[in-house]
Amino acid sequence: AIQMTQSPSSLSASVGDRVTITCRTSQDIRDELGWYQQKPGKAPNLLIYASSSLQSGVPSRFSGSGSGTDFTLTISSLQPEDFATYYCLQDYNYPRTFGQGTKVEI
Amino acid sequence: EVQLVESGGALVQPGGSLRLSCGASGFTFSSSWMTWLRQGPVKGLEWVANINQDGGVKNYVESVRGRFTVSRDNAKNSLYLQMDSLRVEDTAVYYCARDRDLSQSGNYYDAFDIWGQGTMVTVST
Repeated sequence: AIQMTQSPSSLSASVGDRVTITCRTSQDIRDELGWYQQKPGKAPNLLIYASSSLQSGVPSRFSGSGSGTDFTLTISSLQPEDFATYYCLQDYNYPRTFGQGTKVEI
Repeated sequence: EVQLVESGGALVQPGGSLRLSCGASGFTFSSSWMTWLRQGPVKGLEWVANINQDGGVKNYVESVRGRFTVSRDNAKNSLYLQMDSLRVEDTAVYYCARDRDLSQSGNYYDAFDIWGQGTMVTVST
């Protein structure tokens, strides 16, 4: 199975900050990676697919980049509703695998 | 309203069985790949299994292969997960999700764009 390594595992930030989360995979997955946001007690929510494509309805302050083994999720200006845990997920092969998550907190 | 609703979670002893259900509404269920995922206290988010539109193709994570069976009933807009020989490490919130084809520029991509609220499975004595 493809191993997913997210960093950092947690970060502290303020409203208006630019936040960057990285995900590294154990093998080349081209651009077959997505990002999800999860708030406490809720199911994850799709933000980005195909490394950089914004899911419909997701604010444009979220962006994704990368290919091969290194990927990035960027929040350009952190808003109060963005405090949550973020996960990367590879859809290159089975089994699909997630990163361990990055908790963004104040 | 586009919705997935899971049910069937419970407390069960190790070695026991449980059947989870997921009801779909607001989208064409019979045209969708569907997936089960889980989130446990130790392993975090984990993809468990998926099934194609007519139920003829199924994939499983190695840790559940031979113990769990995914199935669907398109006439009832329902997805199922039969879980046998349950282990303590199967304890988790189980989610069903739509596995949407988001292909573009001739490349195949998929992602989980609709999720249920989750159902709790606890395996313990």
